[in-house]
Amino acid sequence: SQTIHQWPATLVQPVGSPLSLECTVEGTSNPNLYWYRQAAGRGLQLLFYSVGIGQISSEVPQNLSASRPQDRQFILSSKKLLLSDSGFYLCAWSVTSVLYNEQFFGPGTRLTVL
Amino acid sequence: LAKTTQPISMDSYEGQEVNITCSHNNIATNDYITWYQQFPSQGPRFIIQGYKTKVTNEVASLFIPADRKSSTLSLPRVSLSDTAVYYCLVGGSGSARQLTFGSGTQLTVLP
Repeated sequence: SQTIHQWPATLVQPVGSPLSLECTVEGTSNPNLYWYRQAAGRGLQLLFYSVGIGQISSEVPQNLSASRPQDRQFILSSKKLLLSDSGFYLCAWSVTSVLYNEQFFGPGTRLTVL
Repeated sequence: LAKTTQPISMDSYEGQEVNITCSHNNIATNDYITWYQQFPSQGPRFIIQGYKTKVTNEVASLFIPADRKSSTLSLPRVSLSDTAVYYCLVGGSGSARQLTFGSGTQLTVLP
């Protein structure tokens, strides 16, 4: 069966510090991968998605970046965090297919920037 | 891109049937309609997906009229554990891109 992992689960970082969140998927090959952010009481905002190694599409211009160094690894980074980067970060995967497939979400990372 | 509109919140009582309607006037021919459920501090979970008419699974039913400009998620006999945010998404086949989830509908089930 497929599983998706995210770490860390929670993170408190000062403004201006770097960020690295990691997401890995097990049990599937060549998945589509996604990073979302959810502010308190709000819906999910798609940040990045990837259809393959090294292929990253950005949905929202910001100080965040994403990388996919391996097929089932997706990393979200920042060189300098802003207060507005606080939120709940979710990684998700879906199967590459001609059909509109469901997404499977990880447990999330709660980021607080102080 | 098709935009969706849902009620911000709904209240219901245990044992009742709940219907949450989503408007998507600009739905494209190849778009599917998908509903997700999200509990606090968890990622959304897929509930049901459909293209037209009616789809039913062990959790819910999805009703889509012929013009596909709206859809209704039906939850039979809700319980307290169904209290969550429900999101309606519209997306095209063959695309890895997902639309913004939006704010969803906060369903509160009361005893």
